[in-house]
Amino acid sequence: EVQLLESGGGLVQPGGSLRLSCAASGFTFSNYAMSWVRQVPGRGLEWVSGISGGAEVTDYPDSVRGRFIISRDNSRNTLYLQMNSLRGEDTAVYYCVKDQSAGNSGWFQSWGQGTLVTVSS
Amino acid sequence: QPVLTQPTSLSASPGASATLTCALRTGINVGRYSIFWYQQKPESPPRFLLRYYSDSSKHQGSGVPSRFSGSKDASSNAGILVISGLQSEDEADYYCMIWHSNTVVFGGGTKLTVL
Repeated sequence: EVQLLESGGGLVQPGGSLRLSCAASGFTFSNYAMSWVRQVPGRGLEWVSGISGGAEVTDYPDSVRGRFIISRDNSRNTLYLQMNSLRGEDTAVYYCVKDQSAGNSGWFQSWGQGTLVTVSS
Repeated sequence: QPVLTQPTSLSASPGASATLTCALRTGINVGRYSIFWYQQKPESPPRFLLRYYSDSSKHQGSGVPSRFSGSKDASSNAGILVISGLQSEDEADYYCMIWHSNTVVFGGGTKLTVL
């Protein structure tokens, strides 16, 4: 059974940094691309980054490019999201998501339960 | 104009069918994309429902009933999710999604009410 367990969320001040982690199990981690998707409570879904299985390719939307960095440690079956220069509009639940293939495709078959990030002074 | 546009809400009766639409922005041809559909219930993460490219290239999510089906309407340049035999448990938010220009794009979501 695929399991994705996010951690690292919490309260951070505007301009601050935070690193999220996602511990994966139940599948061969390095064979699959992974993404982070966020959701402001009560609002829609927004994809914030994706990384291929071998970490050769990373993709970001314009809203976070240059501030967020996605990475992975395939030896530890762990996905990361380094978030810098945080803004109030980054406040959201952040989901760790498993792609269906080794490359980023958006085919998100498995989702974690999410971790809440709150950016506020 | 957003890349993907979904109606904000839709209501339907138990046992009836609900048709959810996902309109692609002018200039983005629905025929060239796989349309992904996700269901989200309150206090839960989204769930993958299905991927639809064509009748010969489609995929149902694990455990997703066959009464959930996808299609496309070229005339309106839209992806379509049909839920037949509506049940109260189908009440949820539904999001469409495409992979476009090396990014994932979600529609704004449709809140389906079954009453």
